[in-house]
Amino acid sequence: AQKVTQAQTEISVVEKEDVTLDCVYETRDTTYYLFWYKQPPSGELVFLIRRNSFDEQNEISGRYSWNFQKSTSSFNFTITASQVVDSAVYFCALSEAQQAGTALIFGKGTTLSVSS
Amino acid sequence: GAGVSQSPSNKVTEKGKDVELRCDPISGHTALYWYRQSLGQGLEFLIYFQGNSAPDKSGLPSDRFSAERTGGSVSTLTIQRTQQEDSAVYLCASSRGLDTYEQYFGPGTRLTVT
Repeated sequence: AQKVTQAQTEISVVEKEDVTLDCVYETRDTTYYLFWYKQPPSGELVFLIRRNSFDEQNEISGRYSWNFQKSTSSFNFTITASQVVDSAVYFCALSEAQQAGTALIFGKGTTLSVSS
Repeated sequence: GAGVSQSPSNKVTEKGKDVELRCDPISGHTALYWYRQSLGQGLEFLIYFQGNSAPDKSGLPSDRFSAERTGGSVSTLTIQRTQQEDSAVYLCASSRGLDTYEQYFGPGTRLTVT
């Protein structure tokens, strides 16, 4: 069965600190996709990244970076030099190619609070 | 371009009443999804449409829930005889197709059943 675990419920940091959000997934499929979404206080889920199971290259986008390791079934997200605007709930999600409709299976989310 | 829109943004209804929630996907997106977000259950998938077809309705919480999509565009999620446990934020998402896995979400409809 597929499952996404975000063990960190809440994280608080001070501006300019680096922070890593953990995501561990379970799937029996060999082809799957992993995602990160951001949900700011306004409530709308914002797509951040998609990664397929055949591409383990790490990705960097500005202050954001993602580390995908199939060996540990993890897809961690790091924010470098955090800012107050990064305060949000962050969701990791999994989609399996074999699953009809490619529904997203979400983790419970990590609430990140960045203070000035 | 315009994103996914949902209406109403907020809905308060009395227990036992029926409600309709509407979703307008991004133009050209053939796949449409409904999710529910509640404190207890987190984000849970309800149903998806490819075109006007919803092949799998097993994610709907009960037979009081139904959804339809017409013209390959607008979708309506209907909850009959609402119960307090239906209170949640109902989120709609769309994507270019089932093979394109980036789903773009609307702002949601916050449903409160009193």
